[in-house]
Amino acid sequence: GAGVSQSPRYKVAKRGQDVALRCDPISGHVSLFWYQQALGQGPEFLTYFQNEAQLDKSGLPSDRFFAERPEGSVSTLKIQRTQQEDSAVYLCASSLAVGGPRPQHFGDGTRLSIL
Amino acid sequence: AQSVAQPEDQVNVAEGNPLTVKCTYSVSGNPYLFWYVQYPNRGLQFLLKYITGDNLVKGSYGFEAEFNKSQTSFHLKKPSALVSDSALYFCAVRDPSNTGNQFYFGTGTSLTVIP
Repeated sequence: GAGVSQSPRYKVAKRGQDVALRCDPISGHVSLFWYQQALGQGPEFLTYFQNEAQLDKSGLPSDRFFAERPEGSVSTLKIQRTQQEDSAVYLCASSLAVGGPRPQHFGDGTRLSIL
Repeated sequence: AQSVAQPEDQVNVAEGNPLTVKCTYSVSGNPYLFWYVQYPNRGLQFLLKYITGDNLVKGSYGFEAEFNKSQTSFHLKKPSALVSDSALYFCAVRDPSNTGNQFYFGTGTSLTVIP
């Protein structure tokens, strides 16, 4: 596709429910990133994939957060037993190459609201 | 540790006047620096980047940024502001000496251009 696509755009869930957020990166992009953006803040790194390998998950806030990219393209961020503090915009970004100065290209995000 | 600071939460400028959005960074090595813009309910859009070389970098939509190593700054500038430039601006840094690939973002500066 022309850009990074994320779905759903909005998700409302009750506390304790599991949610799954999808990211479809730009075709051919090797690197894929997930960020969490709280209201009024900049994006905070969650995790990074190079193809299907999850090389860095140091930003995941708890073991309730899980991400996968099984075939090296589409990625899913899953949050189990959601809490109110999980409410945020979740941004996915992809980049053509590994490392280097290439910019990351962002999707429009999924706004998650936990009631 | 890598970090980015955007000292101004809000910048107001009259249409047609020059604008500056400030950013300072802290990295252990020579940084890759980026500016992104975010419109309401949208993802981040890449504006420009600094890798090495000329300290004045030109980017999209007439924006430019000046890298100053001694002051560890990377301020975003535009000679003549447009109302359509009103948005949220984020500075980001990546340390190429770090094996991680994530960007570190500032907290953002809300720019309002007054007609």
